[in-house]
Amino acid sequence: GNSVTQMEGPVTLSEEAFLTINCTYTATGYPSLFWYVQYPGEGLQLLLKATKADDKGSNKGFEATYRKETTSFHLEKGSVQVSDSAVYFCALSPSGSGGYNKLIFGAGTRLAVHP
Amino acid sequence: DGGITQSPKYLFRKEGQNVTLSCEQNLNHDAMYWYRQDPGQGLRLIYYSQIVNDFQKGDIAEGYSVSREKKESFPLTVTSAQKNPTAFYLCASGRREGYEQYFGPGTRLTVT
Repeated sequence: GNSVTQMEGPVTLSEEAFLTINCTYTATGYPSLFWYVQYPGEGLQLLLKATKADDKGSNKGFEATYRKETTSFHLEKGSVQVSDSAVYFCALSPSGSGGYNKLIFGAGTRLAVHP
Repeated sequence: DGGITQSPKYLFRKEGQNVTLSCEQNLNHDAMYWYRQDPGQGLRLIYYSQIVNDFQKGDIAEGYSVSREKKESFPLTVTSAQKNPTAFYLCASGRREGYEQYFGPGTRLTVT
């Protein structure tokens, strides 16, 4: 079946450090891949997406590349800020979902950035 | 401003009472979704609807009910049959296969 596995948190970094949050997936065909961010007490916001192999999604300094050969979609940022502290969710939308956009989420990774 | 609204933000109920959570969108999306989020966990799909007057059960539909009488609205009722109703509930909408979902701000339900 379809599934998403994220690295366990919390990830604790100092400001301006390099960030990597690992995400791997299991799916048939060619799913679309997403990263969402959730700030405390809020809903999820789409951070970036990639819809086919080798696509790179990017937004607000975050990047992730759709790697079909390793079934991965790792999130990276070169220099984190305190304001990046949040929970990050990796998700996939299976191909052939039958006319609606089903999303399958990972468990989330909490990021804490200290000054 | 297009978006999804959920109300109220916080909701408190006594055990044994049904409660309805509101979700409205003005994005003209056909599909709408309800998720449940428990502390430290990912999102689990409760119900979804692709078109008006049609909806399907998700992974954890027991103890919940929905209606979709208008394209813009997808209310969720948490019934007294739901054994552990205290959670953060998120509504989302989306266009079609392969596209992202847009989320509302969520409703935190506490049942005592």
